[in-house]
Amino acid sequence: EPEVTQTPSHQVTQMGQEVILRCVPISNHLYFYWYRQILGQKVEFLVSFYNNEISEKSEIFDDQFSVERPDGSNFTLKIRSTKLEDSAMYFCASSISDRTNYGYTFGSGTRLTVV
Amino acid sequence: AQKITQTQPGMFVQEKEAVTLDCTYDTSDPSYGLFWYKQPSSGEMIFLIYQGSYDQQNATEGRYSLNFQKARKSANLVISASQLGDSAMYFCAMREAGDKIIFGKGTRLHILP
Repeated sequence: EPEVTQTPSHQVTQMGQEVILRCVPISNHLYFYWYRQILGQKVEFLVSFYNNEISEKSEIFDDQFSVERPDGSNFTLKIRSTKLEDSAMYFCASSISDRTNYGYTFGSGTRLTVV
Repeated sequence: AQKITQTQPGMFVQEKEAVTLDCTYDTSDPSYGLFWYKQPSSGEMIFLIYQGSYDQQNATEGRYSLNFQKARKSANLVISASQLGDSAMYFCAMREAGDKIIFGKGTRLHILP
């Protein structure tokens, strides 16, 4: 079964540092997403990406965040200057379609801890 | 406004009993999909079951079934014969046409031996 791969599984970083979270979506998928989940809370949408550009972003996704698909296989989320409140689980997901009958395949997540 | 409402923050159920996790949703789009995901303590998101808005029958996947009541905008997950391994967080989610999946706040299910 194809899967979405996220690395690293855990990352600890100092406040103010830049972090890059990496994802390899399923190869024939066209739609890519980042979500975050602060511990024990709901899963929140950050950004969607299609055809090499952002198609939608939430109010959480401010200027400190950026996404990139640098080489046709990786999909990265960068946080330029991390804050304590960025500590969360970050999920990458991909989908073959934006039709309603297609769900996502999620990666296993990167747990980011900002100290 | 909340589009997905899960009113049960936590539930305790005896092993082998059936359990129903509630979910109501709000949309004016006639075309939408409803999903349930399981999140065990290890953190990953596991897809369980899907129901389309035009589907005439309730979706079933093994011990999981979705009680879809379209007029009431309700999509409850039913787990039959619960097992200890069913202890997890469960998220109801919805996808409208051309849009992203949005999640409810989740229900934490505890199965008691």
